[in-house]
Amino acid sequence: DSGVTQTPKHLITATGQRVTLRCSPRSGDLSVYWYQQSLDQGLQFLIQYYNGEERAKGNILERFSAQQFPDLHSELNLSSLELGDSALYFCASSAAGGKEKLFFGSGTQLSVL
Amino acid sequence: DQQVKQNSPSLSVQEGRISILNCDYTNSMFDYFLWYKKYPAEGPTFLISISSIKDKNEDGRFTVFLNKSAKHLSLHIVPSQPGDSAVYFCAATVDNDMRFGAGTRLTVKP
Repeated sequence: DSGVTQTPKHLITATGQRVTLRCSPRSGDLSVYWYQQSLDQGLQFLIQYYNGEERAKGNILERFSAQQFPDLHSELNLSSLELGDSALYFCASSAAGGKEKLFFGSGTQLSVL
Repeated sequence: DQQVKQNSPSLSVQEGRISILNCDYTNSMFDYFLWYKKYPAEGPTFLISISSIKDKNEDGRFTVFLNKSAKHLSLHIVPSQPGDSAVYFCAATVDNDMRFGAGTRLTVKP
């Protein structure tokens, strides 16, 4: 158990809809990362937050947004969903967000039908 | 924008032999490299890392080698065990940006 909790584990929705994925980092970790893993693809970095502030941005679509709340949990919002958004979304956390190892949650499997 | 590449999608080795997983990167600013292991239905877990100021780091059966001039790193597992069967991701980081490769699926046959 990595200590990172992601909910829900599975999500099935239709095109055009909006969903919210939730992540609770390990106790004490200030940094949260979001990654997307599509079929046969690696982990695509989406965005990183540190202590409530956006710190780094990767290949995140404009239809996607995220935030980190004062209690350090984070949410990833995906809107106007398309079939190609179907993927496994991972959240990871680290203490400070530098070069240290990340602790990953088990992921949320999103299926857009 | 694949700054970290794992060109072998899969690798199969016999139990007890050496497994060598390779990773190439394009961004010369990367200064820290990590390997993660992922089992089905689980998130990736950290395995081993190396700083760009070193060329080798060893932890038990796992050794990571870094060749900065070639922008190449490799993970050696000796001896390989069936429990090592998993997907291995190479990652590279600079500042707050950690990029991952596509992963290599390792199968260790008994």
